[in-house]
Amino acid sequence: GAVVSQHPSRVICKSGTSVKIECRSLDFQATTMFWYRQFPKQSLMLMATSNEGSKATYEQGVEKDKFLINHASLTLSTLTVASAHPEDSSFYICSARVGPQGQETQYFGPGTRLLVL
Amino acid sequence: AQSVTQPDIHITVSEGASLELRCNYSYGATPYLFWYVQSPGQGLQLLLKYFSGDTLVQGIKGFEAEFKRSQSSFNLRKPSVHWSDAAEYFCAVDPFYTSGTYKYIFGTGTRLKVLA
Repeated sequence: GAVVSQHPSRVICKSGTSVKIECRSLDFQATTMFWYRQFPKQSLMLMATSNEGSKATYEQGVEKDKFLINHASLTLSTLTVASAHPEDSSFYICSARVGPQGQETQYFGPGTRLLVL
Repeated sequence: AQSVTQPDIHITVSEGASLELRCNYSYGATPYLFWYVQSPGQGLQLLLKYFSGDTLVQGIKGFEAEFKRSQSSFNLRKPSVHWSDAAEYFCAVDPFYTSGTYKYIFGTGTRLKVLA
């Protein structure tokens, strides 16, 4: 299957700092990537859809100015948590959509654990 | 509204026993269906997927799933569970070809515990 990586896997930062998380498709190109947030023992919550070369589409209730998404190439999307606060602490997972037409599949990264002190 | 239901929040089975995890969807057409597994602190790994054709789908790690249109179900099965199967399992629907949106609809997940 297709491989998606995330970096860093874990980050601890002080309140008020910005944190950048990278999502890379290692062996394929992805025009569409997704960013999810997952709270403990819960399902994934879609934050935004990232399209290469265009602005991300954010889900209702997700602050665009807080969660900045850039999809500058077909293999890289970044999520920047601006001025992070403790309530932003969470598990962030990205995915990339790939496959022949009619059989597209999302492949997920390993996730990034963010802890804001 | 479109939805995916995983009725069992927790399931506990003994190692070597058979397993069935339930997934029901509410949707106006046959969607694309997926099962993913998540180990603690990890991302989601694709177990299997259904787009069309044979309604019994084989996946990795000895898992299979059967699509039943009449029951709007896509249940995941494994004949003999191993301790390493303990994880969270998510059923997902991709409504793209009927709704035009790429966004998956996830079930709430089923946490599997395996007793030695």
